[in-house]
Amino acid sequence: EAQVTQNPRYLITVTGKKLTVTCSQNMNHEYMSWYRQDPGLGLRQIYYSMNVEVTDKGDVPEGYKVSRKEKRNFPLILESPSPNQTSLYFCASSPGVYNSPLHFGNGTRLTVT
Amino acid sequence: RKEVEQDPGPFNVPEGATVAFNCTYSNSASQSFFWYRQDCRKEPKLLMSVYSSGNEDGRFTAQLNRASQYISLLIRDSKLSDSATYLCVAGINDYKLSFGAGTTVTVRA
Repeated sequence: EAQVTQNPRYLITVTGKKLTVTCSQNMNHEYMSWYRQDPGLGLRQIYYSMNVEVTDKGDVPEGYKVSRKEKRNFPLILESPSPNQTSLYFCASSPGVYNSPLHFGNGTRLTVT
Repeated sequence: RKEVEQDPGPFNVPEGATVAFNCTYSNSASQSFFWYRQDCRKEPKLLMSVYSSGNEDGRFTAQLNRASQYISLLIRDSKLSDSATYLCVAGINDYKLSFGAGTTVTVRA
């Protein structure tokens, strides 16, 4: 089954404790992206990657890191999480050609206390 | 100013009714437009792409007005299963997409 898999689904952590949210897709998609969703703000892009070893900042990259060492994986790293990073996070992928839809993972709800 | 603005609603409509709503985008260089549907904080799913000439998919019709920089979505013959939040998306390309905060539609029996 074609899918984007994120883990974990739920995560509660404390300020400053490094964490990684994994994202993997099995559709051989070139493009992958991370979004966070907050009430009233919609989805905001954190980072995106157009291919292996090619990443770029989205609209809200501060406090996040990503890597794209393999085509299928695009982990999101929070080196020192803070409470303002409490949010619902979505990973997405697409073939990266014009007007191709995004396929989203089922989300990670992160709480930083 | 947000790049994509939507009326948050909610739009409460009876089954069988027609409901329509718009979103506006601020970047005149936008080339890609979509409507996504999101159920109760689950992952968004593509509802339809929006083409310059307008397009229809069953009970759903999307229109693009470049001059006024807005996109519309119309749902005919509303079903209970249409209750969701509809996200408007505009992008200058397929990599830089801006999402609206969503319009909530509730269809009642």
